[in-house]
Amino acid sequence: GIQVEQSPPDLILQEGANSTLRCNFSDSVNNLQWFHQNPWGQLINLFYIPSGTKQNGRLSATTVATERYSLLYISSSQTTDSGVYFCAVESYNTDKLIFGTGTRLQVFP
Amino acid sequence: NAGVTQTPKFRVLKTGQSMTLLCAQDMNHEYMYWYRQDPGMGLRLIHYSVGEGTTAKGEVPDGYNVSRLKKQNFLLGLESAAPSQTSVYFCASSYDGGSEHFGPGTRLTVT
Repeated sequence: GIQVEQSPPDLILQEGANSTLRCNFSDSVNNLQWFHQNPWGQLINLFYIPSGTKQNGRLSATTVATERYSLLYISSSQTTDSGVYFCAVESYNTDKLIFGTGTRLQVFP
Repeated sequence: NAGVTQTPKFRVLKTGQSMTLLCAQDMNHEYMYWYRQDPGMGLRLIHYSVGEGTTAKGEVPDGYNVSRLKKQNFLLGLESAAPSQTSVYFCASSYDGGSEHFGPGTRLTVT
């Protein structure tokens, strides 16, 4: 099945810094999503982005489907950005999202 | 809208006991999913449904059964719980297989 790798596994930032999280996948996809799991365990959908670029406030994401990777940009990080960021992908002709193991982000004041 | 809700939030079972987890959504979504999350790992799909009356196996279906008798509800059953099923269980839904919305999770411990 499709493989999903996220990097870096851990990231520590000071408030105000910018960061880039990467998601590589091993096959063509028709669905790619980024999620944030906050320290209380709640999963929030950030982007549905099988291709192209989207922005939502301080967050933006870009997926280059032909090169099989996606990037999540966090600008001017805040302590509330802390948590685990997951990338999840779905291959063509399946209905199954496959999750990466996540990037754990800690933002300190 | 309540979004996706899960019942119960916490449960402790003894090995061999059975239980059912309930997921409900009020967004008229066609697709519903059950995942498990183990410490330090991403989510793994257990079973899913693409519409009322349908179910299909995910990555890790063994030891679980599901039913989707009503569009808004998706039930996950454990017939004979094992310690390996200790996990946090998440339900999700999507309108058409796209953007998924998650419930708050159910923490299950099997002793």
